[in-house]
Amino acid sequence: EADIYQTPRYLVIGTGKKITLECSQTMGHDKMYWYQQDPGMELHLIHYSYGVNSTEKGDLSSESTVSRIRTEHFPLTLESARPSHTSQYLCASSEVGLAGRETQYFGPGTRLLVL
Amino acid sequence: GNSVTQMEGPVTLSEEAFLTINCTYTATGYPSLFWYVQYPGEGLQLLLKATKADDKGSNKGFEATYRKETTSFHLEKGSVQVSDSAVYFCALGGNEKLTFGTGTRLTIIP
Repeated sequence: EADIYQTPRYLVIGTGKKITLECSQTMGHDKMYWYQQDPGMELHLIHYSYGVNSTEKGDLSSESTVSRIRTEHFPLTLESARPSHTSQYLCASSEVGLAGRETQYFGPGTRLLVL
Repeated sequence: GNSVTQMEGPVTLSEEAFLTINCTYTATGYPSLFWYVQYPGEGLQLLLKATKADDKGSNKGFEATYRKETTSFHLEKGSVQVSDSAVYFCALGGNEKLTFGTGTRLTIIP
């Protein structure tokens, strides 16, 4: 079983607030990912990282930012939350392996509601 | 590019019924294929995977076979239970990321 943690699990916040969603993994995985999941269930990759000091934007444009200062930690920040940011955010990690053969392990998710 | 086409839901079955959720893919090379399950209020859990053609992944009574000739990875279970109610995602490994299907919501009624 994968050891990947996200906090908080649920967050209700007002418009304009700055928030940071935490993601940590204890597996020593180099690659980490953030997905946004809309109510229709579809998953959209918004950020990923190959390792420390590496961050890349994903398929879906996002106003959030990420950092990767430590291997085990990949926080996501929204400088000014808006109702359009209401969603579920899923963090994942994987080992670096043969392209196309890496298994991603997911955290439990953070459900964000911006009023 | 890579793509995954997954059976649209929702799917509703009676307990002990046979389940098939179809998944077909388009890919370059020979990537791994995955099924993930998402229970209400939770993240995705890896259900099973297959890394090469003709491999069969299995877990918790679920099975899927990597069929290169039909580019398919259909999920099957012989007898579903109420506890199998969840959303199921088919996914394809790529150079930098997974490509997911749109998800199939499965509801099992007693």
